[in-house]
Amino acid sequence: EVQLLESGGGLVQPGGSLRLSCAASGFSFSNYAMNWVRQAPGKGLEWVSVITGSGGTAYYADSVKGRLTISRDNSKNTLYLQMNNLGVEDTAVYYCAKERGYHFYGSPVDWGQGTLVTVSS
Amino acid sequence: QSALTQPASVSGSPGQSITISCTGTSSDVGGYNYVSWYQQHPGKAPKVMIYDVSNRPSGVSDRFSGSKSGNTASLTISGLQPEDEADYYCSSYTTSSTLDFGGGTKLTVL
Repeated sequence: EVQLLESGGGLVQPGGSLRLSCAASGFSFSNYAMNWVRQAPGKGLEWVSVITGSGGTAYYADSVKGRLTISRDNSKNTLYLQMNNLGVEDTAVYYCAKERGYHFYGSPVDWGQGTLVTVSS
Repeated sequence: QSALTQPASVSGSPGQSITISCTGTSSDVGGYNYVSWYQQHPGKAPKVMIYDVSNRPSGVSDRFSGSKSGNTASLTISGLQPEDEADYYCSSYTTSSTLDFGGGTKLTVL
């Protein structure tokens, strides 16, 4: 059974930094691309970033480019999202989501339960 | 404003069928067969119901079906049940190697 467990969320001041983690189990982690998707309170889903199975290629939404960095450690079956220079608009539940294959097909098929990031002074 | 356009709400009675549309452009929905549909109940994570336009993951009821025509994708739910009441989102891969979501549709089962 695929399990994705996000952690690292919390309250951070504007301009601050945070690193989210997603621990994966139940599948061969290095064989799948992984996404981060976020959802602001009461709002819809917003794709943030994706990284291929090897970690060699990553793509970002324009809204986060240059501030958020996706990475993975296949030896630890863990996905990361380094978040810098955070603004109030980054307040959201952040989900990690497994693609259906090694490459990015735009098909996140398994989702974690999410971790809440609140940016506020 | 979301890149993909969905109706804000739809409703139907138990046993009826409903269809939710998702309209994009030739740079996303119309250009690829990588359209997915997600169901989200309040306070829960999204769950994929359809991927690659019309493929259903194992465990998803065959009451859910997907299709696409041109730049518009559709999700049809037949034999509506009370537990189908939720928010539904479409998504599509884009030419920019990104993923766009629709704004979401609230389904009410009357």
